Amino acid sequence: QKEVEQNSGPLSVPEGAIASLNCTYSDRGSQSFFWYRQYSGKSPELIMFIYSNGDKEDGRFTAQLNKASQYVSLLIRDSQPSDSATYLCAVRESGTSYGKLTFGQGTILTVHP
Amino acid sequence: GAGVSQSPSNKVTEKGKDVELRCDPISGHTALYWYRQSLGQGLEFLIYFQGNSAPDKSGLPSDRFSAERTGGSVSTLTIQRTQQEDSAVYLCASSSGLSQETQYFGPGTRLLVL
Repeated sequence: QKEVEQNSGPLSVPEGAIASLNCTYSDRGSQSFFWYRQYSGKSPELIMFIYSNGDKEDGRFTAQLNKASQYVSLLIRDSQPSDSATYLCAVRESGTSYGKLTFGQGTILTVHP
Repeated sequence: GAGVSQSPSNKVTEKGKDVELRCDPISGHTALYWYRQSLGQGLEFLIYFQGNSAPDKSGLPSDRFSAERTGGSVSTLTIQRTQQEDSAVYLCASSSGLSQETQYFGPGTRLLVL
């Protein structure tokens, strides 16, 4: 059973702080990793994907991947109240050429003014 | 230019009834996925379509669940003899052949089985 685990949260940070969201995965062969944001009552939307070890930055978001440790994280700099949502880590199953994703349970982030 | 659409947005049914959930993917997207999100659970993969074929049905929880896709477009997920544990939000996503991994999700169908 391939698993994706996220820090359980909920995570509360003050406005302007850095929010750190963490995820570990069991499928050592996985090559593609995704972070989705889901507002309450809405569908998930893709924030970032990362394939290579190291950091990938997009605006206020930085994804970090360490395949040796089977660990992927998302940093949100200068957190805003509008960032308050559930963040889902997803991993594409190894051996598939299509987007079969295994999702973590999600981490609820609250950014308070 | 429309996104993924799903209908109905909400469905309340009685235990034992059959339900059909519809997904209309983004035009031209060849890949279509169904997921289920239960309270307290993460998103679970159900089935994957490439065109009208379903090469991966491994996530369907039981033989009460089936899905089809016609014309390489609209997909229907059917749940027969619904049970209370089927209550969940059913999400559909689509992606283009060029970038299979960027999946665009629909708004979901919230199913409640009484």
